[in-house]
Amino acid sequence: DSGVTQTPKHLITATGQRVTLRCSPRSGDLSVYWYQQSLDQGLQFLIQYYNGEERAKGNILERFSAQQFPDLHSELNLSSLELGDSALYFCASSRGAITVHEQYFGPGTRLTVT
Amino acid sequence: TQLLEQSPQFLSIQEGENLTVYCNSSSVFSSLQWYRQEPGEGPVLLVTVVTGGEVKKLKRLTFQFGDARKDSSLHITAAQPGDTGLYLCAGGRGSQGNLIFGKGTKLSVKP
Repeated sequence: DSGVTQTPKHLITATGQRVTLRCSPRSGDLSVYWYQQSLDQGLQFLIQYYNGEERAKGNILERFSAQQFPDLHSELNLSSLELGDSALYFCASSRGAITVHEQYFGPGTRLTVT
Repeated sequence: TQLLEQSPQFLSIQEGENLTVYCNSSSVFSSLQWYRQEPGEGPVLLVTVVTGGEVKKLKRLTFQFGDARKDSSLHITAAQPGDTGLYLCAGGRGSQGNLIFGKGTKLSVKP
């Protein structure tokens, strides 16, 4: 158990819909990262928050947004869903803001768009 | 363009054999992390290496970071069925927070 929690575990929804994925980081960790994992692309970085502020952006679509709340939990919002958004979405957390701080991953949310 | 290339993509061996998987790049990384992932679960951190030439051992697993910090290897001695999984390397760069992942090596150890 990494100490990172994610809900829900599975999500099935239709094209055009909007969903929210939730992540709670390990106790004491200030950074939260969101990654998308698909069969053909592997693990791709989406966005990072550090202590409530957006720190870095990867290949995140404009239809996707995230935020980190004062209690440090984070939510990833996916809207106008398309079939190609079906993937595993992982949240990771670390103590600090840069990569020398080890990242610990949650169990993921499997999103299926039908 | 994949910044981190892992090889081989697939590896199927018998219990007791030794194996090495590789993670290569033309770019320099400030740190390199190895993860193991099982189907439908999150990656589990195995080790972090930060110094060129660094070698770390974790029981039967030996990790090495290249002198130029562009490549890394993972060697498993006397593999066991419990070692089965997807092994991912991930590189970190300086002041950036996100990791850049390779596509992984899928290892299957048969009893």
